[in-house]
Amino acid sequence: DGGITQSPKYLFRKEGQNVTLSCEQNLNHDAMYWYRQDPGQGLRLIYYSQIVNDFQKGDIAEGYSVSREKKESFPLTVTSAQKNPTAFYLCASSMQSGGNTEAFFGQGTRLTVV
Amino acid sequence: AQSVTQLDSHVSVSEGTPVLLRCNYSSSYSPSLFWYVQHPNKGLQLLLKYTSAATLVKGINGFEAEFKKSETSFHLTKPSAHMSDAAEYFCVFLGSARQLTFGSGTQLTVLP
Repeated sequence: DGGITQSPKYLFRKEGQNVTLSCEQNLNHDAMYWYRQDPGQGLRLIYYSQIVNDFQKGDIAEGYSVSREKKESFPLTVTSAQKNPTAFYLCASSMQSGGNTEAFFGQGTRLTVV
Repeated sequence: AQSVTQLDSHVSVSEGTPVLLRCNYSSSYSPSLFWYVQHPNKGLQLLLKYTSAATLVKGINGFEAEFKKSETSFHLTKPSAHMSDAAEYFCVFLGSARQLTFGSGTQLTVLP
C-alpha cells in the first residue's frame, strides 16, 4: 500500500547533538513538507520541497536543515542551533495533477531533548 | 498569497447536539481543501476533502463540509456530536503552488 512513513516514532536526544528525522513516501508525490507542533499550538511549517533537489524555508526554518536528493525522501535534521527542539514533528506530501489532488501525512515523530 | 483561517480556537458542544467548525480561505485560485482530525498523541486523520467536484463533501464518522466560493468558506459540520469526536481539527489548504497551508486548529470538546 502507498503511504508516507516517518521514523522513529519517539526520539530522545542529548542537548547539543544533531539528530535526523526520516520521512519516506512511495506515493510518487512531488511536494513534501515538514511541520512542527507544540502543545496547544497549530502546525508550523519548517521546510518544504516542491521538487527533487529544491527546497524552501518555511516559517520557522532556523536551526533546521533538509535535503531532497530523491523524490521519495525528505529527511529533516534538527541541529544544535535549534533552541527549543522538543516537539512533535510531522511530515507530509502532496500531489496536484489535473483534477486529482491528495495530501498524506506521516504518523509523526516526537522528539525530546534530555 | 494563500491563507486559511479557522475562526474558533475552541468549540464546546453537548453530546448529541450539532457541531460547526468554521474555516475560511483566501486564494486567487480554486483551492483543494481538507479537514483533518488529530486525537491526543496521534497523527492526523483525513476526514474529508474538496477538490472542485461536488460542493457538499461527505466524510468519515458522519462529518460533512460545504464549499462556498461566494463566502470563501469550508465549514465542517456534524448533526450529532459523540464523545469520541473530542479532538483537534485542522482545516488545510492546498493551493496552486502545491503548498499545504494549515489553519491554526480548533479544539472540540464534547460535554456529556
